[in-house]
Amino acid sequence: DGGITQSPKYLFRKEGQNVTLSCEQNLNHDAMYWYRQDPGQGLRLIYYSQIVNDFQKGDIAEGYSVSREKKESFPLTVTSAQKNPTAFYLCASSKTSKDTQYFGPGTRLTVL
Amino acid sequence: EDQVTQSPEALRLQEGESSSLNCSYTVSGLRGLFWYRQDPGKGPEFLFTLYSAGEEKEKERLKATLTKKESFLHITAPKPEDSATYLCAVGVNFGNEKLTFGTGTRLTIIP
Repeated sequence: DGGITQSPKYLFRKEGQNVTLSCEQNLNHDAMYWYRQDPGQGLRLIYYSQIVNDFQKGDIAEGYSVSREKKESFPLTVTSAQKNPTAFYLCASSKTSKDTQYFGPGTRLTVL
Repeated sequence: EDQVTQSPEALRLQEGESSSLNCSYTVSGLRGLFWYRQDPGKGPEFLFTLYSAGEEKEKERLKATLTKKESFLHITAPKPEDSATYLCAVGVNFGNEKLTFGTGTRLTIIP
């Protein structure tokens, strides 16, 4: 089945620790995205990548980092510099950056 | 600044009671308007893309329409399984590849 997978589904982190969220897609899409979802707010873009080895900051990139070494994979690292990391994180992909975005199942990160 | 506003925030309907959800937007150069459905604790599921005013798309009990300032998601004779949060997002032209999302409408269908 083609789709987007995110792991883990739930993640707990202690303050001061970096943590990496995985996102993989087998849709042969060029573009990939990371969003953050908080209660009562719309999805906010963290980073996006239109092609391998290239990525751009979204609206709320501070405290996050990404890499795009393979077309299929776009991992997100939440660093200790992110002041309020507890949230639901969503990865998405699209054929090109101008096409419809399809979302993965999400990772819920909780900082203890 | 691009803005997307969805109303109402929450809507409770009896099974079979038709209604509409609204998404109003202010953007410069609309590339597309997107509707998604999101169940609790899950990722958004794509429903429709609308590109130009006057366009309509249908899927089962859902119909999406678009004008120059807003989009409506009409739900006809809803069933309890239609209960979800419905998200609207807009994309703009000319190098701005991100989507701007509304905060969603939480729809509850009562049996």
